[in-house]
Amino acid sequence: QVQLVQSGAEVKKPGASVKVSCKASGYSFTGYFIHWVRQAPGQGLESMGWINPNSAATNFAQGFQGRVTLTSDTSVSTAYMELNSLRSDDSAVYYCARVSPSGLPDSWGQGTLVTVSS
Amino acid sequence: EIVLTQSPATLSLSPGERATLSCRASQSVGSRLLAWYQQKPGQAPSLLIYATSSRVTGVPVRFRGSGSGTDFTLTISRLEPEDFAVYFCLQYDTSITWTFGQGTKVEI
Repeated sequence: QVQLVQSGAEVKKPGASVKVSCKASGYSFTGYFIHWVRQAPGQGLESMGWINPNSAATNFAQGFQGRVTLTSDTSVSTAYMELNSLRSDDSAVYYCARVSPSGLPDSWGQGTLVTVSS
Repeated sequence: EIVLTQSPATLSLSPGERATLSCRASQSVGSRLLAWYQQKPGQAPSLLIYATSSRVTGVPVRFRGSGSGTDFTLTISRLEPEDFAVYFCLQYDTSITWTFGQGTKVEI
């Protein structure tokens, strides 16, 4: 079955960077886009952007351009999200999601908690 | 950019009651589609409804999605104990630009 398994929780200081991984299994990794979404404590979901693992093309939501890097390694079926210049309000659970052909997230990772604190 | 506003923020109901959740768009979604997700504490969102009214396989028939244009509704006909959770609406299309509502918490 389709599975997305994310890396573990991270604690970072303000100004640092964090890199979260998302390992896919159960399907052809290059056949589906991966979208990254975050959720601050007690808040709603916020789209960050997506990557096409087949071409490495990316697209970013407003507010994340220039601070987020999305990459993928097809040899290990893994997508990565790197967020730079961390601030306290970047503390959130970060999710990766597989995008269906209709544009819908149809499978999610379990989430990675990133805590930014001095 | 379309903004999705969900109401109410919290819905306090009892098992067996009917829940009506609203998701209103700031402008017509046009050809874009709407989905509903359920999220329980500590878990990733789980897809319930896509393309406004299509139920995912395995989702109970008590969940029904409806609406068009700017007004969309998720109705849970008779709440079961496992239905108490947070529900999000999502606007999407093949451009993979996603807009989420802020969520409605259905609590006992």
